[in-house]
Amino acid sequence: LANTTQPISMDSYEGQEVNITCSHNNIATNDYITWYQQFPSQGPRFIIQGYKTKVTNEVASLFIPADRKSSTLSLPRVSLSDTAVYYCLVEGGTSYGKLTFGQGTILTVHP
Amino acid sequence: DADVTQTPRNRITKTGKRIMLECSQTKGHDRMYWYRQDPGLGLRLIYYSFDVKDINKGEISDGYSVSRQAQAKFSLSLESAIPNQTALYFCATSDSTSNPPTGELFFGEGSRLTVL
Repeated sequence: LANTTQPISMDSYEGQEVNITCSHNNIATNDYITWYQQFPSQGPRFIIQGYKTKVTNEVASLFIPADRKSSTLSLPRVSLSDTAVYYCLVEGGTSYGKLTFGQGTILTVHP
Repeated sequence: DADVTQTPRNRITKTGKRIMLECSQTKGHDRMYWYRQDPGLGLRLIYYSFDVKDINKGEISDGYSVSRQAQAKFSLSLESAIPNQTALYFCATSDSTSNPPTGELFFGEGSRLTVL
């Protein structure tokens, strides 16, 4: 399985851009990178997924360098409601279907 | 109505009792998962199933068993509950035919289990 490493916690303020980086040094050729958001006592919710370069949707952007050994989730202009835990998953290839979560990054947005 | 439904949502039981947590889904997905989450920790995979005839152990399967009664139903059992199985349990589904094939996970609302 491709292991991932994320910062345990981050702090930000309303209106700022937040970038959360995930390291996945042993990512396999067929692996995709997926990010989830989780609020207390709720199940995680899909944010964004990518394979290489940049992916953008209505809530976030995902930047993946050419070597794919890391990825960065970018949240533009965060609000208090973005306070949550963010998980990076690497899946596919040899870990196909066995979707395991790391400890995630606790993001706290301050007024 | 939720696409992924878990029952019960909350349960308090005693050590040694048998407990079953049930999960049903209306998404038509073939893959189903059971995770547990402990306070301050991420989610850990207990069991997963790729279809009705396929059951696989996850990271922490000891003390648990599962049954995939139908494509839409996946149950988790604790044969003899112990206090350190107190946790929040999540069921999830994914679609192996999605594009890209890794698919998005869809989670239920969780079942909070307390073992005294």
